[in-house]
Amino acid sequence: EVQLLESGGGLVQPGGSLRVSCAASGFTFSTYAMSWVRQAPGKGLEWVSVISVRGGSTYYADSVKGRFTISRDNSNNILYLQMNSLRAEDTAVYYCAKSAEVQNKYYFDYWGQGTLVTVSS
Amino acid sequence: EIVLTQSPGTLFLSPGERATLSCRASQSVSSSSLAWYQQKPGQAPRLLIFGASSRATGIPDRFSGSGSGTDFTLTISRLEPEDFAVYYCQQYGSSPETFGQGTKVEI
Repeated sequence: EVQLLESGGGLVQPGGSLRVSCAASGFTFSTYAMSWVRQAPGKGLEWVSVISVRGGSTYYADSVKGRFTISRDNSNNILYLQMNSLRAEDTAVYYCAKSAEVQNKYYFDYWGQGTLVTVSS
Repeated sequence: EIVLTQSPGTLFLSPGERATLSCRASQSVSSSSLAWYQQKPGQAPRLLIFGASSRATGIPDRFSGSGSGTDFTLTISRLEPEDFAVYYCQQYGSSPETFGQGTKVEI
């Protein structure tokens, strides 16, 4: 059974940093791209970032480019999202998602339960 | 980027009825690269449909997807009580991948 367990969310001040993690199990982590998708309170879904199988390719939404960094540890089956220069509009539940690739584009076949990041003073 | 517009915003139906949800793209979605997700309150989204019409693993056959180009439809043939939720479409035909704003199916 595929399991994705996010952690590391919390309250952070504007301009601050936070790293969220996602521990994966139940599938061969090192053979799948992985993504982060977020959902602001009461709002819809927004794709944030994706990382390729070996981590050599990463892509970001314009809204987070230059501030967020996605990475992965294939030895320990963990996905990360380092978030710097956080803004109030980054407040959201951050979901880790196993990603199915179609011609270098992705849909999301399994999701974690999410971790809430709140940016507020 | 491709903008997805879902309609209606809210669909009021009863168990046993048929639900028809629409997702319209601002430009053609290549290779029918469209997915549908279901999200219940306090839960993560769940993949229902990919490739516009292929059901994901474990999804009941009362869920079906259709469409191509700019117009896509999710149909729930007979609503079960557990189907009342928010439904999102997502395109992965071009970067960045984008989601619609959601359709809420309510009793």
